[in-house]
Amino acid sequence: NAGVTQTPKFQVLKTGQSMTLQCAQDMNHNSMYWYRQDPGMGLRLIYYSASEGTTDKGEVPNGYNVSRLNKREFSLRLESAAPSQTSVYFCAAAGNQPQHFGDGTRLSIL
Amino acid sequence: GENVEQHPSTLSVQEGDSAVIKCTYSDSASNYFPWYKQELGKRPQLIIDIRSNVGEKKDQRIAVTLNKTAKHFSLHITETQPEDSAVYFCAASIVSGGSYIPTFGRGTSLIVHP
Repeated sequence: NAGVTQTPKFQVLKTGQSMTLQCAQDMNHNSMYWYRQDPGMGLRLIYYSASEGTTDKGEVPNGYNVSRLNKREFSLRLESAAPSQTSVYFCAAAGNQPQHFGDGTRLSIL
Repeated sequence: GENVEQHPSTLSVQEGDSAVIKCTYSDSASNYFPWYKQELGKRPQLIIDIRSNVGEKKDQRIAVTLNKTAKHFSLHITETQPEDSAVYFCAASIVSGGSYIPTFGRGTSLIVHP
């Protein structure tokens, strides 16, 4: 039982490149989330999906898109990466409560 | 929307002392308050949570108290140990039907000196 799995764990991009962060959960939870974590800023919600087929913007959605492919998978896409998007990205899943987090993706944009 | 303030941002204690982290929230409709511990380079992990119909909850050396009137809740760690060193996050959320979107505090870095 892996819980929430994120790939890749590390990535370095150049400004303007695109990439998709993958997230999958095996807990059969309805809700999934993408956060970014920056020093001193806590966890800020980028997008969330309350159920398969629905997505909604969170606090910091600009520059990102998401896809809830099915109940298990929720991907985050950076279409044109910017240095300001250098961060650690966490995916989470929740049934009722609480949230269960993946191990994170450390993304650096040069 | 909900706003969560967390204090202090850094807390340094000696092993065996108690540590208290405080959070305030703005939305009186919030009804679920989890606390997460995040060790360096690791994922946030739930350590304790409390719902609005309860004033206090304990789990061994960890306790959480909730004051709905004042809209604040606190994490208490007794007999601290070096392995308690980590960043702790509080969160507040309104749980309604299938909706659950927590708002997090900015975190408290707890350092326990041996």
